[in-house]
Amino acid sequence: DIQMTQSPSAMSASVGDRVTITCRASQGISNYLAWFQQKPGKVPKRLIYATSSLQSGVPSRFSGSGSGTEYTLTISSLQPEDFATYYCLQHNSYPRTFGQGTKVEIK
Amino acid sequence: QVQLVQSGAEVKKPGASVKVSCKVSGYTLTELSMHWVRLAPGKGLEWMGGFDPEDGETIYAQKFQGRVTMTEDTSTDTAYMELSSLRSEDTAVYYCASEVGGSYSPFDYWGQGTLVTVSS
Repeated sequence: DIQMTQSPSAMSASVGDRVTITCRASQGISNYLAWFQQKPGKVPKRLIYATSSLQSGVPSRFSGSGSGTEYTLTISSLQPEDFATYYCLQHNSYPRTFGQGTKVEIK
Repeated sequence: QVQLVQSGAEVKKPGASVKVSCKVSGYTLTELSMHWVRLAPGKGLEWMGGFDPEDGETIYAQKFQGRVTMTEDTSTDTAYMELSSLRSEDTAVYYCASEVGGSYSPFDYWGQGTLVTVSS
């Protein structure tokens, strides 16, 4: 099974900050990496898939990059509505595996 | 546009089983692959299993092997997830999540979630 190690597990940031979250896969996943945002009591929302493809309707301040085993989600300028928990997901092979999550809190 | 509507909250005793449904509209069940993901209190998202269209088989996470069964009724476009031998650690919100574009486009649509509480 492919293990996904996500970091940091939590962070505090201010509105306007640039935020970077990283996921490392235990083996290559051929850019099959997606990012999800989840707010308390809400359904997970897909932000990015296949490393860098932005989901329709998602603001352009969200971007993804990476290759091989290292992938990154960047929020260029954090907005109040972006405080949430973020998860990466490898969709290269089965079983699908999520990262442990990154909780982005208000500083 | 796919819509997934799940069945309502359940309360079960330890050792019992629960069956959660997920009704598809906007597409037929045969046009997409259905997966199940759960979120337990204080934990992260966890993939339980789903349909692999390349192999034509349902794949289960090893953690749930022997306890989970995912089925589909194509006549009603409804997917089901049954989890047996419930324990308190299975208390979670269970989501169905579909893939319309194959593995390249994972979990593009989600159900609203079903809270399953396991308590004596």
